[in-house]
Amino acid sequence: EDKVVQSPLSLVVHEGDTVTLNCSYEVTNFRSLLWYKQEKKAPTFLFMLTSSGIEKKSGRLSSILDKKELFSILNITATQTGDSAIYLCAGGSSYGKLTFGQGTILTVHP
Amino acid sequence: GAGVSQSPRYKVAKRGQDVALRCDPISGHVSLFWYQQALGQGPEFLTYFQNEAQLDKSGLPSDRFFAERPEGSVSTLKIQRTQQEDSAVYLCASSQRPQGQNQPQHFGDGTRLSIL
Repeated sequence: EDKVVQSPLSLVVHEGDTVTLNCSYEVTNFRSLLWYKQEKKAPTFLFMLTSSGIEKKSGRLSSILDKKELFSILNITATQTGDSAIYLCAGGSSYGKLTFGQGTILTVHP
Repeated sequence: GAGVSQSPRYKVAKRGQDVALRCDPISGHVSLFWYQQALGQGPEFLTYFQNEAQLDKSGLPSDRFFAERPEGSVSTLKIQRTQQEDSAVYLCASSQRPQGQNQPQHFGDGTRLSIL
């Protein structure tokens, strides 16, 4: 059975801190690793990673995939209160479905 | 439309009633997915459509759950004889091309279903 595990489950930091969120996966016919940010509504797409060792960046967020160790990290630098959300990691298979982790709840205090 | 649209946003039903949840994907998107998200958990896959064809329904928890997409655009998820454990947020997602091609899925805001 496919499985995605995220850690930590929750994290409380102050504005300006840097955080690292972890994701390990076991997905049959693995094709891609995706990160989403979920506030009160729809999960919004952040990154899709398909190759090992290539960092993807968007502003203060970056992510990298290790296909040998079946692992990905999401980094957020200089955190802001608007970064408070649930961050979801998902493994995508060649059959299309996403297997999600439980999510990491990030709280950024001013 | 600009994004994936789901309705209703909230649905309260009594145990035993049937419910129907609607998803209007991004215009032109070929692939459509339904997920169930319980409180404090990540979304769990229910079913996948490529145009009007339901190619994977392996995640539907029981035969009380039924989904359709008859014209390859709008989809409906129906739950018959609802039970309390069906209470969850039901998320719909769409992507532009058939699956097997790496691409992100874009989610709607979901329908929060509460069974009393």
